[in-house]
Amino acid sequence: KQEVTQIPAALSVPEGENLVLNCSFTDSAIYNLQWFRQDPGKGLTSLLLIQSSQREQTSGRLNASLDKSSGRSTLYIAASQPGDSATYLCAGPFNQAGTALIFGKGTTLSVSS
Amino acid sequence: NAGVTQTPKFQVLKTGQSMTLQCAQDMNHNSMYWYRQDPGMGLRLIYYSASEGTTDKGEVPNGYNVSRLNKREFSLRLESAAPSQTSVYFCASSEAGRGHEKLFFGSGTQLSVL
Repeated sequence: KQEVTQIPAALSVPEGENLVLNCSFTDSAIYNLQWFRQDPGKGLTSLLLIQSSQREQTSGRLNASLDKSSGRSTLYIAASQPGDSATYLCAGPFNQAGTALIFGKGTTLSVSS
Repeated sequence: NAGVTQTPKFQVLKTGQSMTLQCAQDMNHNSMYWYRQDPGMGLRLIYYSASEGTTDKGEVPNGYNVSRLNKREFSLRLESAAPSQTSVYFCASSEAGRGHEKLFFGSGTQLSVL
């Protein structure tokens, strides 16, 4: 059974700092991994989807990598801003068919100005 | 561009009451999902429908039933609500197949069972 773990649970940084959020998974047969952002009281927004054939994906100041052999993914946020404050969740396939996702518990990021 | 629409946004039930949470998507997606989110437990998959006409259990299906009414709509029913079902419920949808797993979420339903 796939399990997804995120460390740390919470992170506080000053504005402008580069930071890395970590995600680990137990099933190395994972063939994609997705990062999401959730603002308080809101639904989730997909940020980046990495297929196993890719090593990383980039969108603006965000870069996500996937290392199947080590069972890890990282989300790198460059030059953090107060608007980046949110909870970040990673998710991997629930089953071999990949017909659903299961989530880590998330990292709550606070960026102070 | 409505995306994924959930109704109601808030609901209070008494123990033993029943209710149905509604979800509709206008993106012509094949797959739809129901999740619940609880403090300290994260987001957990209740049921999903990989395509119209199919439904499957997720991580925490007990106490729930689902209906994929058509391609657009996927409902979640609580037959006899319990306080343990107090949670925020999210519906999501995606295209089917590898390379199309990007999930789109609704804004959630906050349910309290007293």
